[in-house]
Amino acid sequence: AQSVTQLDSQVPVFEEAPVELRCNYSSSVSVYLFWYVQYPNQGLQLLLKYLSGSTLVKSINGFEAEFNKSQTSFHLRKPSVHISDTAEYFCAVSENAGNMLTFGGGTRLMVKP
Amino acid sequence: DTAVSQTPKYLVTQMGNDKSIKCEQNLGHDTMYWYKQDSKKFLKIMFSYNNKELIINETVPNRFSPKSPDKAHLNLHINSLELGDSAVYFCASSRLAGANVLTFGAGSRLTVL
Repeated sequence: AQSVTQLDSQVPVFEEAPVELRCNYSSSVSVYLFWYVQYPNQGLQLLLKYLSGSTLVKSINGFEAEFNKSQTSFHLRKPSVHISDTAEYFCAVSENAGNMLTFGGGTRLMVKP
Repeated sequence: DTAVSQTPKYLVTQMGNDKSIKCEQNLGHDTMYWYKQDSKKFLKIMFSYNNKELIINETVPNRFSPKSPDKAHLNLHINSLELGDSAVYFCASSRLAGANVLTFGAGSRLTVL
């Protein structure tokens, strides 16, 4: 069975500093990996995904994540955060195209001025 | 136009009552889902419907009964509400059954007193 661990429940960071949100997964087969973002009082939105090909994937707002198969990780990074990036970030995994998403427990990114 | 809309956004009720949460999507998606997010932000799939047919029913008390009158609607009815049912319930939809890219509604916060 697949599982996802987000090691940090909260990550406080100052504006314009770099950030990394960690995600590790457990699966016995190949996986698809996702990051979703939840802004306050809103639903989840897809931020980026890895399905195949290049292990480095990027979003339109400056986030990127790298699939590392040997370390079973899919950490999310941004070189310089903005106040508007304050949100809850969820890592998710699916074992194949027809399988359901399993979410991690979420990491609250708190960007301070 | 809102892609996935849920009503009500907030619901406060007493233990033992019966309540419903409605969900509608205007994306033309074939599959709809209900997720429960607890107080620790943990997200768990409850149900999934594909073209009005139930395809996933996780371990959920039978007090919870989803109903899909058509593929654009998936309502959640809860009987005999308990304190532990307090959570945010998210509706979501996807183009294909088991697809990994979900579009979420804004959530319905249920508080049971």
